[in-house]
Amino acid sequence: KNQVEQSPQSLIILEGKNCTLQCNYTVSPFSNLRWYKQDTGRGPVSLTIMTFSENTKSNGRYTATLDADTKQSSLHITASQLSDSASYICVVSEGGATNKLIFGTGTLLAVQP
Amino acid sequence: EAGVAQSPRYKIIEKRQSVAFWCNPISGHATLYWYQQILGQGPKLLIQFQNNGVVDDSQLPKDRFSAERLKGVDSTLKIQPAKLEDSAVYLCASSLPPGGWNEQFFGPGTRLTVL
Repeated sequence: KNQVEQSPQSLIILEGKNCTLQCNYTVSPFSNLRWYKQDTGRGPVSLTIMTFSENTKSNGRYTATLDADTKQSSLHITASQLSDSASYICVVSEGGATNKLIFGTGTLLAVQP
Repeated sequence: EAGVAQSPRYKIIEKRQSVAFWCNPISGHATLYWYQQILGQGPKLLIQFQNNGVVDDSQLPKDRFSAERLKGVDSTLKIQPAKLEDSAVYLCASSLPPGGWNEQFFGPGTRLTVL
């Protein structure tokens, strides 16, 4: 069964600190892996997209890594800000005709002053 | 470029009542998706349209949920009758025709509370 698992489920950090979120997946076929940020009361917004040939991709203070051999990904947030408080969802795309997305349950991050 | 629009943003109804949600995708996006997101979970695909045809509705509870996209643009999702477990955020997303990297862009969602 295609699944995406994320850890931790929730995380509290102080403003200015770094953190790393984890994602493990068992999805086949695999097209790409995405990290989304979902603010409270809003729809998910894409942060990064990576194919199996990409090991790392950055978007400002967000850096995602992908190990296609172990089927693991991480999202590293540097110098956290209060506005980083959100749910971070790891999503794997099966690609193909339907481009079906398999969603993780998300990591809820709270950045405190 | 305008994003995906959804209305209403919030809806509270009693069980066994009916409710309808509306979605207007990004102009030119042929593919439209409806997702259900229960609190603390990731979104679950309910139905995917390609223009006005259904591509995937395998997880749509067809005894109570229905969706249409008559002219291949706007879409409505209806629940009739609603149950307590339908309380969730209903997200609409759109993309260019699937395949490759085509990004799905999400609307703000409609938060449904069934009492």
